[in-house]
Amino acid sequence: KQEVTQIPAALSVPEGENLVLNCSFTDSAIYNLQWFRQDPGKGLTSLLLIQSSQREQTSGRLNASLDKSSGRSTLYIAASQPGDSATYLCAVREANDMRFGAGTRLTVKP
Amino acid sequence: EAGVAQSPRYKIIEKRQSVAFWCNPISGHATLYWYQQILGQGPKLLIQFQNNGVVDDSQLPKDRFSAERLKGVDSTLKIQPAKLEDSAVYLCASSLVLAGTGELFFGEGSRLTVL
Repeated sequence: KQEVTQIPAALSVPEGENLVLNCSFTDSAIYNLQWFRQDPGKGLTSLLLIQSSQREQTSGRLNASLDKSSGRSTLYIAASQPGDSATYLCAVREANDMRFGAGTRLTVKP
Repeated sequence: EAGVAQSPRYKIIEKRQSVAFWCNPISGHATLYWYQQILGQGPKLLIQFQNNGVVDDSQLPKDRFSAERLKGVDSTLKIQPAKLEDSAVYLCASSLVLAGTGELFFGEGSRLTVL
């Protein structure tokens, strides 16, 4: 059974810092991996989608990498801003399901 | 392009009462999902539809939860009777394709509090 783990559970950084969020999964037979952002009381906003054949995707200040063989993905956020404060979730797509990690709660202090 | 619409946003009920949540997916998206997100956890799949057929409902507590997707568009998730442990956010998501490569798009969620 696929298990998705996100470390750390919470992270607090000063504004302007570059940071990395980690996601690991136990079964490498995935179709893709998706990173989401969730603000308090809100739904999930898709940030980046990496197909299983890809190694990374970039959008603005965000860069996500995928290493299927080791069961790991990272989300890199450059020049963090207070507006980046949210919970970040990764999810791996299997045949008929998407399994989520519990998320990393990020706080960027002005 | 309109996103996934859900209602109500918030609902407070007492245990043993019933509740229903509604979801309207992105136009043209064949696949619709209902997820349950308990505070501090990632979302967990309850049921998945392809058009108006059920693809996977293995994690749906069928003694109290039911869901339907009439005409392959809108969907309703019902809980009857509710228990305290059903307090959670119920998220609806849709995808253009069923398996593999499709990106999931989520609604704002319906927050249920059972007293």
